[in-house]
Formats: sequence, structure tokens, C-alpha cells
Amino acid sequence: KQEVTQIPAALSVPEGENLVLNCSFTDSAIYNLQWFRQDPGKGLTSLLLIQSSQREQTSGRLNASLDKSSGRSTLYIAASQPGDSATYLCAVTGTASKLTFGTGTRLQVTL
Amino acid sequence: EAGVAQSPRYKIIEKRQSVAFWCNPISGHATLYWYQQILGQGPKLLIQFQNNGVVDDSQLPKDRFSAERLKGVDSTLKIQPAKLEDSAVYLCASSSLAGNVNEQFFGPGTRLTVL
Repeated sequence: KQEVTQIPAALSVPEGENLVLNCSFTDSAIYNLQWFRQDPGKGLTSLLLIQSSQREQTSGRLNASLDKSSGRSTLYIAASQPGDSATYLCAVTGTASKLTFGTGTRLQVTL
Repeated sequence: EAGVAQSPRYKIIEKRQSVAFWCNPISGHATLYWYQQILGQGPKLLIQFQNNGVVDDSQLPKDRFSAERLKGVDSTLKIQPAKLEDSAVYLCASSSLAGNVNEQFFGPGTRLTVL
């Protein structure tokens, strides 16, 4: 059974800092990995999707890497802003396109 | 392109009452998912439809939960009767492929509170 773990559970950083969120998964037989953002009381917004054959994806200040063999992914956020404050969820797609989520990292960027 | 629509956005009911949620996926998306997200946890898949057929409902509590997607477009999720532990956000998502490289797009969710 696939299990996804995210560390840390919560993180508070001052504005302008670069930061890294971590995600690990137990079964390396995945087809892709997605990073989502969730604002309080809202749905999920897809940030980046990395196919299993890829090593990383970039979108603006966000960079996600994938090491499938070790079961790890990182989300790097450059020059953090207060608007980046949200919960970040990692999810992996396994067989039958089933998505398994981690419990998320709650990020707060302070002024 | 319009996103995934869900209604209602919020619902408060008493235990043992019934409730229904509605989802309209992105146009053309054949695959539709319902997730339950309990506070502080990641979303958990309840049921997956491919067109109007069920692909996976292994984690759906079938004694009280039911879902349908009659015409392969809109879907409804029903809880009858509700329990306190059903308090959660119910998320609907859709994707354009049933294969393993699909990207899922989520709606805003319905926050259910059971008193």
C-alpha cells in the first residue's frame, strides 16, 4: 500500500527566504507526482506535475524534483512571499490512476 | 475553460440526516473522482468514475454513502444517514484520461459539518 509522507508538517519563514518542502513515498512504482496548493477553505490548485521519466519541473519561482528510485520529491520555492502562505500537498499516481496524498505542509510566510 | 464546479459550498446538518453534493466536471473529462478530506489530513479517494461506470469504490462506506454519474457528466454523492465523523471537505476532481499520466483538476469542495 502506497504511503506518502511530508516533512515538515508546518513551516514559518520570513519573506524573501528560499525554502524546500519534502515528500517521500514508499512504493517507487509511480506514474507521476503532483504538487498542489490548498488555501484555507478552498479546493486544490495543481502547481506542478512530474512524469515518472522526468527529474524536475519548473514554474516561475517553483521547482519540483523527483528521485523515483529513492522515493523522494522536493518542492523548492524561491524568494518566498506572504501570498505563498498555504498548505502544500504532494500526491503520487499509482495503478489505475489512483492518487495518494500526503498530509501536507502548512507554510506561513511572514512580513 | 471553466473549472470543476461543486455545490453547495457549505452544508450543516444534524447526525442521522441525509445530504447530497453535486459536481460538474471540466467539459470533456471522462474521469471523475470524489475525495473526502478530514481536517489536517490529505484527501482520500472515495470513488472514481470512468464515464458513467465505477472504476474504484473500494474506500466508499457503502452502508451510508452512494454516488452516481448517470449520463457520464455530472455526479452526485449522497450520505444517508450522516455521522459525526463524516464532517469533512468533499472534493470533486476530473481528468481527461483514464491512463496513468492523467492530471487531476479539483473543484472548490463542499465543507460538511455534522452536528
